[in-house]
Amino acid sequence: SAVISQKPSRDICQRGTSLTIQCQVDSQVTMMFWYRQQPGQSLTLIATANQGSEATYESGFVIDKFPISRPNLTFSTLTVSNMSPEDSSIYLCSVGQGRANEQFFGPGTRLTVL
Amino acid sequence: AQSVTQPDIHITVSEGASLELRCNYSYGATPYLFWYVQSPGQGLQLLLKYFSGDTLVQGIKGFEAEFKRSQSSFNLRKPSVHWSDAAEYFCAVGLRSNDYKLSFGAGTTVTVRA
Repeated sequence: SAVISQKPSRDICQRGTSLTIQCQVDSQVTMMFWYRQQPGQSLTLIATANQGSEATYESGFVIDKFPISRPNLTFSTLTVSNMSPEDSSIYLCSVGQGRANEQFFGPGTRLTVL
Repeated sequence: AQSVTQPDIHITVSEGASLELRCNYSYGATPYLFWYVQSPGQGLQLLLKYFSGDTLVQGIKGFEAEFKRSQSSFNLRKPSVHWSDAAEYFCAVGLRSNDYKLSFGAGTTVTVRA
């Protein structure tokens, strides 16, 4: 399975600012995904990021709030824009590999917005 | 509506005892089924998966799961729990018709007492 790293591992940010989270994979993958895990909750898919195309957002998530880049097959970024305390969550990236595109996850970025 | 249900929010089990975590799904077709584990402060680790074939699947860390089509269930089991199994467990499903995007259950927190 792919080895996935995320930066930063955690951050504390002020309301109204933006944070960009990086996801790096040690092999080339077609599909990457970004999830949000609010405190004490399960994972919710934000968007699917495929190289060479616009990210596809799930219902309730918009590009202006969560712009995503996917410049190549090993890297993606998620920006959380104009943050509010409600954005305090763990943000995880994952990659799809193999049969049924089974997903492997990065360690997550723990974001706290004050 | 399509859904993934984990009926048990929290389970406490004694070290050495057996463990069973329930997962039910509601989808028109048989989905691809996964169990993930999230240790405190960590990302998600894939325990096991079911695509087709033998309905009893073996995973890592001594876990197994059984797919029962008639009950729309994919329950996770371990015969003898170790203190290191204390974690959050998530059941997830993916559909080929939905580009294999994963939907997660709410999760079950497992506490292991000495």
